[in-house]
Amino acid sequence: DVKVTQSSRYLVKRTGEKVFLECVQDMDHENMFWYRQDPGLGLRLIYFSYDVKMKEKGDIPEGYSVSREKKERFSLILESASTNQTSMYLCASGRGSTYEQYFGPGTRLTVT
Amino acid sequence: GQQLNQSPQSMFIQEGEDVSMNCTSSSIFNTWLWYKQDPGEGPVLLIALYKAGELTSNGRLTAQFGITRKDSFLNISASIPSDVGIYFCATRTSGSRLTFGEGTQLTVNP
Repeated sequence: DVKVTQSSRYLVKRTGEKVFLECVQDMDHENMFWYRQDPGLGLRLIYFSYDVKMKEKGDIPEGYSVSREKKERFSLILESASTNQTSMYLCASGRGSTYEQYFGPGTRLTVT
Repeated sequence: GQQLNQSPQSMFIQEGEDVSMNCTSSSIFNTWLWYKQDPGEGPVLLIALYKAGELTSNGRLTAQFGITRKDSFLNISASIPSDVGIYFCATRTSGSRLTFGEGTQLTVNP
């Protein structure tokens, strides 16, 4: 079975803090993705990566950055957290040869 | 961007009933995926479809890739309480990116 793990299930941070969300997959997938999920807005793509050290902006990259130093790990960074970044963050991975994406359990981030 | 119209938005059914939901678009696609999300968890891939007209089953779930390539359908037979959750359709829009529908919230009354 594909396993995608995220470093925290719940996280509470203060406005202005730097926040790191970590994602690890164990299936040697080339592609990794970060989404945020908000009620009424569905799943929105923040950033994705199709190879180590490669990254592409998704639909809502503002206020976020990413890092992919190793194939299995994809990090999402909030340089200066703001209250409007309170959300559910979902990481996913997938092979380059298919379009199936496999999701982690999510991190519910609250910024106060 | 491309939009997927998923319906219904929510369903309230009795245990044992069959369920149908669908996803439509004005664009043609080569891939349709169906996911289920339990409360507080990440979406889980249920079925992947890659060919127009394809009909694929996974237990009590059956999904079809519409012949026009603009739609897809998911059916759940003999629903049980653990079927509760949000069901999403998704399709590949560019590269390896997926676009997701807004989801169908399913409630099953015992």
